[in-house]
This record gives sequence, C-alpha cells and structure tokens, in this order.
Amino acid sequence: EAQVTQNPRYLITVTGKKLTVTCSQNMNHEYMSWYRQDPGLGLRQIYYSMNVEVTDKGDVPEGYKVSRKEKRNFPLILESPSPNQTSLYFCASSLKNSGQGYEQYFGPGTRLTVT
Amino acid sequence: ILNVEQSPQSLHVQEGDSTNFTCSFPSSNFYALHWYRWETAKSPEALFVMTLNGDEKKKGRISATLNTKEGYSYLYIKGSQPEDSATYLCAFFGSGNTGKLIFGQGTTLQVKP
Repeated sequence: EAQVTQNPRYLITVTGKKLTVTCSQNMNHEYMSWYRQDPGLGLRQIYYSMNVEVTDKGDVPEGYKVSRKEKRNFPLILESPSPNQTSLYFCASSLKNSGQGYEQYFGPGTRLTVT
Repeated sequence: ILNVEQSPQSLHVQEGDSTNFTCSFPSSNFYALHWYRWETAKSPEALFVMTLNGDEKKKGRISATLNTKEGYSYLYIKGSQPEDSATYLCAFFGSGNTGKLIFGQGTTLQVKP
C-alpha cells in the first residue's frame, strides 16, 4: 500500500531532551516536507527536500533540523525541544516536476507535547 | 512574504445547501494551487491540484475554479451533506522550483442534518 508513515504518533517529552520524528514513504517520491499545525495558524512548512541531500528551509525552521540521506526517509530532529514546539506535525511527500503539481501525500501526523 | 488567504474562516450550513469558499494567493510566479480536505483526527487529502489559468475541476458534488491572473480560486460544494463537514485548505506552490508550499488558514465547514 502506498503510504507515508510517521513515528512516533504521540510523544510527550521534557524541555531540552533531543528527539527525532521519523518519516518514511514507499512511493519513490523525490519531494518531502515537514509541516506543523497550530490552532488558528493553519499548516506551516518547516523544512522541505527536493531530492536526496537537498534540503531547504520553509517558513518556520527555527529549532528544527532535517536530513535526507535516502530517498524514502526524511527525519525531523529537535535538538533541544521547547514548549513552543508543542504542536501537531505532518510529513508529506510528492512527485517532483510532474503534471501533478506537487500534490502532497500526508502522513498520519505526530502529536508532540513538550513540558 | 507570500500570503494565502481563505474566506470565510468557518461556515455553518444546512444539509442540501450549496456553498463556496475563496482562496486568494499571489498572482505572480504561479506554479500550482492545491485544495485539500481535512477531517478531524485524519490527515489532509488532496481534492484538486490546478496548474493552468481557467482550470475547472470537479469531483462529485465538489468543484473548483482557478484565476491565476487575479490570484483567486473558488471551491464549490453543491447540495452539502453532513459528511462534507471538514476543514478545506488551499495551498500555493510558486514557480521556479523553490519547493515552498504556502497554506491558507483553512475554511471549516459544518453541515447540519
């Protein structure tokens, strides 16, 4: 089944404790992206990757890191989480340079709480 | 700073009513405009991706139009049903292969039986 998976789905952690949220897709998509969703603010892009070893900042990259060593995986790293990073996080992927206009396929989401 | 605006923010309609939402986006450097449907406790799912000025797309009772010259898109739902209750998001993808996708804040639709 074609899908985007994220782990963990739920995480409660403490300020300053490094964490990684994994994202994996099995559709051979070149483009992958991370978003956070906060009430009243819609989806905001954190980082995106147009292909392996190519990553770029979205609108809210502060406090986050990403890597794209393999095509299928795009982990989101919070080196020192803070309470303002409490949010719902979505990973998404799409084909690149196709007639599909970068239609996003979303993962199930990760609910992160930082205390 | 690129801005994508959606209106209204929320909408309450009766079953059977037809409704429409607006998405405004930058009229320059256009590549694609996306519409997503997002149900509570689920992930957003693509409804339409439009890339050409004048595009009109339809899926069942839902349709969308695109005007890239003036920077707006309309989403129409004909004969709303309770299962149409969701948040509808639009997103702007600029040209130049920048990779940035800018979402609007969404329109939340509640359809009462």
